[in-house]
Amino acid sequence: DAKTTQPNSMESNEEEPVHLPCNHSTISGTDYIHWYRQLPSQGPEYVIHGLTSNVNNRMASLAIAEDRKSSTLILHRATLRDAAVYYCILRPYTGRRALTFGSGTRLQVQP
Amino acid sequence: DAGVIQSPRHEVTEMGQEVTLRCKPISGHDYLFWYRQTMMRGLELLIYFNNNVPIDDSGMPEDRFSAKMPNASFSTLKIQPSEPRDSAVYFCATLGPAGITGELFFGEGSRLTVL
Repeated sequence: DAKTTQPNSMESNEEEPVHLPCNHSTISGTDYIHWYRQLPSQGPEYVIHGLTSNVNNRMASLAIAEDRKSSTLILHRATLRDAAVYYCILRPYTGRRALTFGSGTRLQVQP
Repeated sequence: DAGVIQSPRHEVTEMGQEVTLRCKPISGHDYLFWYRQTMMRGLELLIYFNNNVPIDDSGMPEDRFSAKMPNASFSTLKIQPSEPRDSAVYFCATLGPAGITGELFFGEGSRLTVL
């Protein structure tokens, strides 16, 4: 699987936007970009995914660079509940269905 | 749906004992995954099944670990004999027919402590 690079940790203030970056310079044309997060003492949960176009859902937005070598997960207004480890994962369109998790970005949200 | 259900939530056992972790997938989901999470190694895929058949078990650490999926509604991960280094949180996850764009649903995990 192609590799992703994320900062180890980030801090944000409550009610401010948060931009979580992810580099994936070796992404292939058929790789989807998935984001999951893991709240303390819970299993990972799906956040969002995309292929080429920017995506929005009720949880977050995903901005994908034009060359697809990087992406940014955007939390529009961080809450204390958003404190978690965020994982950026590439998933090929065909073949293996499993996700390979890296070390992710630990987001701390200050009140 | 109740989501992915794992049991037990916590298990403390002594070295050498057999441990069995259980998972009930979301109804209709045809992929089931077992992951292990430790501070040192993060989240690691151990094995996954499709339609009850093991597809990739290359992540299973050694012969002490075995996993089965006798039917579409139940899977087990067994460690025999257990060792202190097996202490970790074990997650079960499932994937439905949406396939590649579908999301994995994780259970709450089974925290195993081997003394």
